[in-house]
Amino acid sequence: NAGVTQTPKFRILKIGQSMTLQCTQDMNHNYMYWYRQDPGMGLKLIYYSVGAGITDKGEVPNGYNVSRSTTEDFPLRLELAAPSQTSVYFCASSYQPPGGARGGQFFGPGTRLTVL
Amino acid sequence: GQQLNQSPQSMFIQEGEDVSMNCTSSSIFNTWLWYKQDPGEGPVLLIALYKAGELTSNGRLTAQFGITRKDSFLNISASIPSDVGIYFCAPRRGANNLFFGTGTRLTVIP
Repeated sequence: NAGVTQTPKFRILKIGQSMTLQCTQDMNHNYMYWYRQDPGMGLKLIYYSVGAGITDKGEVPNGYNVSRSTTEDFPLRLELAAPSQTSVYFCASSYQPPGGARGGQFFGPGTRLTVL
Repeated sequence: GQQLNQSPQSMFIQEGEDVSMNCTSSSIFNTWLWYKQDPGEGPVLLIALYKAGELTSNGRLTAQFGITRKDSFLNISASIPSDVGIYFCAPRRGANNLFFGTGTRLTVIP
């Protein structure tokens, strides 16, 4: 299994541009998550999904959109990039919610995004 | 709002020493998770705690879920160079959210 894969690894955007961060998992996990990590900080939840066709907002959803058309894929869309969205973005997946015995989240390697 | 304090922010220790770090919160949580993040990588789950007072080990790592449910502790015994990284506590907040601390950056001096 490849686990959780993310593309691209690095990206530089100009203010106002848009882009999609890709995330794929091959573990047949129902739960998928998008986090952002600002320098020297912990991770903050942007959006999550409990299954195909179901998404919900996390702690910091403004400026982002998601979709979940398949179990495997959970892309994150930035429509109008702003400097405040400069961060490292992590996708994660889990078999159960975080509190379940099998709820441990598996993280991808991250996408480092800079908005200038 | 909810607050989560993780300490210390950073530690410099000699190889072979034991390490202790903790997280305290203003709120009660029912699940505490501990993650480690290596440079340029995503976090990796180390230990999960589900019950107040629970003490769980994973090799040289031992974590405890505080009896008040407002804190958790992580100990690493006999540190080795590959223990270097950032350690995060992450109590579960709501049904599907983890509340990450700001991390403890560990440096092990050979």
